[in-house]
Amino acid sequence: DAGITQSPRHKVTETGTPVTLRCHQTENHRYMYWYRQDPGHGLRLIHYSYGVKDTDKGEVSDGYSVSRSKTEDFLLTLESATSSQTSVYFCAISPRDREDHEQFFGPGTRLTVL
Amino acid sequence: GQQVMQIPQYQHVQEGEDFTTYCNSSTTLSNIQWYKQRPGGHPVFLIQLVKSGEVKKQKRLTFQFGEAKKNSSLHITATQTTDVGTYFCAGRGSGGYNKLIFGAGTRLAVHP
Repeated sequence: DAGITQSPRHKVTETGTPVTLRCHQTENHRYMYWYRQDPGHGLRLIHYSYGVKDTDKGEVSDGYSVSRSKTEDFLLTLESATSSQTSVYFCAISPRDREDHEQFFGPGTRLTVL
Repeated sequence: GQQVMQIPQYQHVQEGEDFTTYCNSSTTLSNIQWYKQRPGGHPVFLIQLVKSGEVKKQKRLTFQFGEAKKNSSLHITATQTTDVGTYFCAGRGSGGYNKLIFGAGTRLAVHP
């Protein structure tokens, strides 16, 4: 959908290790987002980007950092993973290049932190 | 901060029955979006409502945005097994924080 891929799709890691998740889009959209999905919470915005090297924090940014050095890639890094970061992570883009319109989501990455 | 509450959390219906999920925001919204997520899948955009009192239909789905732009509903007429999934509303604030705030979702189970 909308040329969005996420890698890896599944990852199991140990507490304290660094983890990087990648979101790749093929259509040069300006806006990209990282969400986490947990039971009972819906989706919560972690970080977003409005262009290369332009990023900002969302609702739940503590413990996460992002980078966007190319339009097509948006990386989410957990510097030192904790068990509370076990979640499903979704990347999204704004297909109309307007922040106030719909978002298209990638397939998700299931991360387990032991 | 802005919160979006969605009820019910879970609804179990027989095929052919109607279904409604409700969304309420603590603040006035500039717009509201609805998404559907099938089990094991990713959220898929359904619709966006912008105007006060707006009503939009997509086949058996009817979406409403309240007059005060603080609540919304999704109604499905005569559910089918293909309607199974979790329905999320997502509101965009009209104030300083204008990112989407998602409700917790309503999981719909449809039994034949």
